[in-house]
This record gives sequence, structure tokens and C-alpha cells, in this order.
Amino acid sequence: AQKITQTQPGMFVQEKEAVTLDCTYDTSDQSYGLFWYKQPSSGEMIFLIYQGSYDEQNATEGRYSLNFQKARKSANLVISASQLGDSAMYFCAMREPLSNDYKLSFGAGTTVTVRA
Amino acid sequence: KAGVTQTPRYLIKTRGQQVTLSCSPISGHRSVSWYQQTPGQGLQFLFEYFSETQRNKGNFPGRFSGRQFSNSRSEMNVSTLELGDSALYLCASSLAGGKMGTNEKLFFGSGTQLSVL
Repeated sequence: AQKITQTQPGMFVQEKEAVTLDCTYDTSDQSYGLFWYKQPSSGEMIFLIYQGSYDEQNATEGRYSLNFQKARKSANLVISASQLGDSAMYFCAMREPLSNDYKLSFGAGTTVTVRA
Repeated sequence: KAGVTQTPRYLIKTRGQQVTLSCSPISGHRSVSWYQQTPGQGLQFLFEYFSETQRNKGNFPGRFSGRQFSNSRSEMNVSTLELGDSALYLCASSLAGGKMGTNEKLFFGSGTQLSVL
């Protein structure tokens, strides 16, 4: 079974608008971590934001925020004020130290294209 | 501080050959992980090394192997290449010491694009 599901293969967003990227996950661990990475065409995976399963507040990092709904097992990424440089592939990932230590499980990714 | 460095950036090989990819982690990082990225399968975990020891291995055949040196640099080797091995191979490093915490994030290199003809 897929541990991380990203249902949006591709999205278009207008420059300066906000965009929400969906991510749902599946785990039986109580303690886990959720990450979002950005992969531009250069190939490098760039860390954006982290949310721990016990964190009471939603994580924020500059223009990135994470809408964490634990009961629904979702961790959606919100990018505010989109810029042309935000065009890239975005991956949601999960770390489960107890059952799958030393690895990240990734979703299939969402391609974001920002239009001027 | 230099990031994760992977060499070479591109490789073209033929079926049956073998290949070695190299990864230099961020200075001070002792954990190195390898991931394979393909359009069909996405990102899949290959293995993770810490202090020259493999701590975890993904579901890949024995043709895929790796090692880590005392300076934390790592190599991965694929023997008897198949067409399906064509992929972007990403290396990542982290500060992880013992068991990784939930917030242990990976820092990735730009990858090696391997094409098998």
C-alpha cells in the first residue's frame, strides 16, 4: 500500500497567487515526521518544511506553510505569493523511525507551473 | 559550506556493463543514503550507510551495492546493467548519529543521471 499519496500530478498557478498541494499518508506509528521537498529541473531535492506528528502548531517557513490535519492523515503544503522560481516538482515524504528507520517514503510528486 | 556532491552528473552505459557512482556528503555528515528516481516508480530507497556500515537496504536486487569510506564518502555500484536501471540516482546526507529522529532531514545532491542503452 502507498504510504504517501499525492493526487495532483500537475498544477498551474498564476504568479503572486497561493497554491495548495495535497498530501495524505498512511502509518500505524504514533511518532512520525512529514517533509516537503522541491525538485527543480536541475534534479536536486531541496528541503522546504517539516511537521512532526506531535507538533501542535502547523509548521511555517517563509512563504511555505503546512496544513496538518492529523486525524485525516493529511499534510498539505501551501505556497503563498507564488513566484516564477517556484515552478518545480514537489514531493511529500514521511519518516517513521520505529517501523522504517533510516529512510524516507516519498509520494509520486506534483508538478507546479507558475504562469506570469 | 559545500553541499552534497555527486559525480559524474551524467553516465551512458550499455546493458551488461557495470557502473560506480560517487557521493561526497556535507562536511560533518556521517549518514549517506541513496535513492533511485524513475518516472514510473518515483523515488525509491536503495540503502543507508553510517560509519561505513549499511543500516538499511531497500527492495533492490543484489546487483545494487554500496559502501562508505572512513571519510563518509560513499559509492554505489550496479553490476550487469539492465535497461530498467536507467534512472536519476540521488545521494543524500544527514547529521544522524544513532537512530534517526522523526525530524532528521536529508540534504540531497543533484544526482547522477544514468542511461542504459
